[in-house]
Amino acid sequence: DIQMTQSPSAMSASVGDRVTITCRASQDIRNSLAWFQQKPGKVPKRLIYAASSLQSGVPSRFSGSGSGTEFTLTISSLQPEDYATYYCLQHNSDPLTFGGGTKVEIK
Amino acid sequence: EVQLVESGGGLVQPGGSLRLSCAASGFSFSSYWMHWVRQVPGKGLVWVSHIKSDGSDTTYADSVKGRFTISRDNAKNTLYLQMNTLRAEDTAVYYCARDWSGPDYWGQGTLVTVSS
Repeated sequence: DIQMTQSPSAMSASVGDRVTITCRASQDIRNSLAWFQQKPGKVPKRLIYAASSLQSGVPSRFSGSGSGTEFTLTISSLQPEDYATYYCLQHNSDPLTFGGGTKVEIK
Repeated sequence: EVQLVESGGGLVQPGGSLRLSCAASGFSFSSYWMHWVRQVPGKGLVWVSHIKSDGSDTTYADSVKGRFTISRDNAKNTLYLQMNTLRAEDTAVYYCARDWSGPDYWGQGTLVTVSS
């Protein structure tokens, strides 16, 4: 199985900060990676697909990059509504595997 | 508008069975692979299973293999998850999700609680 190592597991940031979250795959997954945002009690929402494509309706402050084994989600200027938990997901091979999540909290 | 509505969750005793349903609307259900993903409240997301658009191919996480069966009825636009020999560790919110370059649209989830 492909392991997805996500870091950090939690972070504190202020409104306006640039935030970077990383996912490392245990083997090459090409660009078969998605990023999700989940707020407490809510359904996960896809932000990025194919490593760097912005999901329709998602603000442009979110961006994704990477290929192979190293991937990054960047929030260029953190907004109050961005405080949430973020997950990466690889779907290159079965079983699909999620990263452990990154909780972004208010500093 | 894409809509996925899960149902069938509830309280079940260890060793028991439950069948979850996911009613799809707003898209051509028979054209898409579909997933089940679960989440223990307060914990991370875990992929459970997926099924090809025509139902001819299925895959499972090791933790549920041999106990859970994913299926679909394209005439009814409905996805199913038959869960047998349930364990306490199967307690979670179960989400169905459509696949387009990975899971994209998700249902609101249904809670399964396995407890005596």
